[in-house]
Amino acid sequence: DSGVTQTPKHLITATGQRVTLRCSPRSGDLSVYWYQQSLDQGLQFLIQYYNGEERAKGNILERFSAQQFPDLHSELNLSSLELGDSALYFCASSPGHASNEQFFGPGTRLTVL
Amino acid sequence: QQQVKQSPQSLIVQKGGISIINCAYENTAFDYFPWYQQFPGKGPALLIAIRPDVSEKKEGRFTISFNKSAKQFSLHIMDSQPGDSATYFCAASSTGGGADGLTFGKGTHLIIQP
Repeated sequence: DSGVTQTPKHLITATGQRVTLRCSPRSGDLSVYWYQQSLDQGLQFLIQYYNGEERAKGNILERFSAQQFPDLHSELNLSSLELGDSALYFCASSPGHASNEQFFGPGTRLTVL
Repeated sequence: QQQVKQSPQSLIVQKGGISIINCAYENTAFDYFPWYQQFPGKGPALLIAIRPDVSEKKEGRFTISFNKSAKQFSLHIMDSQPGDSATYFCAASSTGGGADGLTFGKGTHLIIQP
């Protein structure tokens, strides 16, 4: 158990809908990262937040957004969902400054029908 | 553009043997190279990581070898056990200006035969 929690575990929705995935980092970690894992694209970095501020962006679509709250939990919002958005979404956390060690949560499996 | 290339895609090793997975990177700004292990239905778990100031790091049965000039690094699993059967990912990131997201290889599906 990494200490990172994600909810929900599974999510089934329809095309065009909007969903919110939630992540709680390990106690004391300030950085949160979001990743998408799919069969064709593999594991891809989406976005990073550090202590409430956006720190880095990866291959995140404009339909996707994220935020980190004062209690350091983070939410990933996916809108106008398409079939191709079906994937596993992982959250990872790290202590932050000068530490690259990232600890992954169990993931949320999103199915878009 | 695939910045981290991983091989082989799949690997079968006999119990007690040595499993070797290789990765090559292109971005010279990368300065942190971790390996992750993932079991079906689980999130990736950090196994071991190395920075370019050393050429080798060992933790238990797991060893990373790093060749900065060739821009290559590899994972060696000694005395491989059936419980090591999983998917392994190499990754890389840079720390300039703060930690960035990891760039992952495509993964290696490792099977250890009893």
